[in-house]
Amino acid sequence: DQQVKQNSPSLSVQEGRISILNCDYTNSMFDYFLWYKKYPAEGPTFLISISSIKDKNEDGRFTVFLNKSAKHLSLHIVPSQPGDSAVYFCAASLNNAGNMLTFGGGTRLMVKP
Amino acid sequence: DSGVTQTPKHLITATGQRVTLRCSPRSGDLSVYWYQQSLDQGLQFLIQYYNGEERAKGNILERFSAQQFPDLHSELNLSSLELGDSALYFCASSVVVGGPQHEQFFGPGTRLTVL
Repeated sequence: DQQVKQNSPSLSVQEGRISILNCDYTNSMFDYFLWYKKYPAEGPTFLISISSIKDKNEDGRFTVFLNKSAKHLSLHIVPSQPGDSAVYFCAASLNNAGNMLTFGGGTRLMVKP
Repeated sequence: DSGVTQTPKHLITATGQRVTLRCSPRSGDLSVYWYQQSLDQGLQFLIQYYNGEERAKGNILERFSAQQFPDLHSELNLSSLELGDSALYFCASSVVVGGPQHEQFFGPGTRLTVL
């Protein structure tokens, strides 16, 4: 039973345009959500997070939106740059479960120059 | 560089064998997590230690075990290896358990190949 799903395995966008990566979850008890970026042969790198008490968090070119009623979050990258090409994982966390992360399957983003 | 180190980077072994993967957390981090990433899969949580004590368990096989030592480094032991155990194994660390910060910092991973 996949509690966190990323339904798009890949996404291709033009440099300078917006990239929108989506993530759905089923467990309404999740109270924190995170996005990680992963390059080949490297470990995941933390990108941005959002608490379940908020609906938006912004950090430079990256914004995460949370829609709790729809159990959906999205990561917006504006403007997209070729260096953003990587696999993006969304993850969810339960405060009372030791903060273990439940990951989605990842979306491979390709930003074309 | 996340500050989390893992050794070895690559490991090739045969079915039935036993291996040990090592992780050193970021300085000051008390909590260590182990994750497995199989081919084209997301990361699956295996086990968590906090200050030397087991804190949470995920889908970890009985053939796998882990421990965290007094200096806070951790080892993941995989025994009676099968072909399906071939995967990337990541270690992550965080400062505390609970509280507003849930970010975990990941090491570069150990790629295990079982032949």
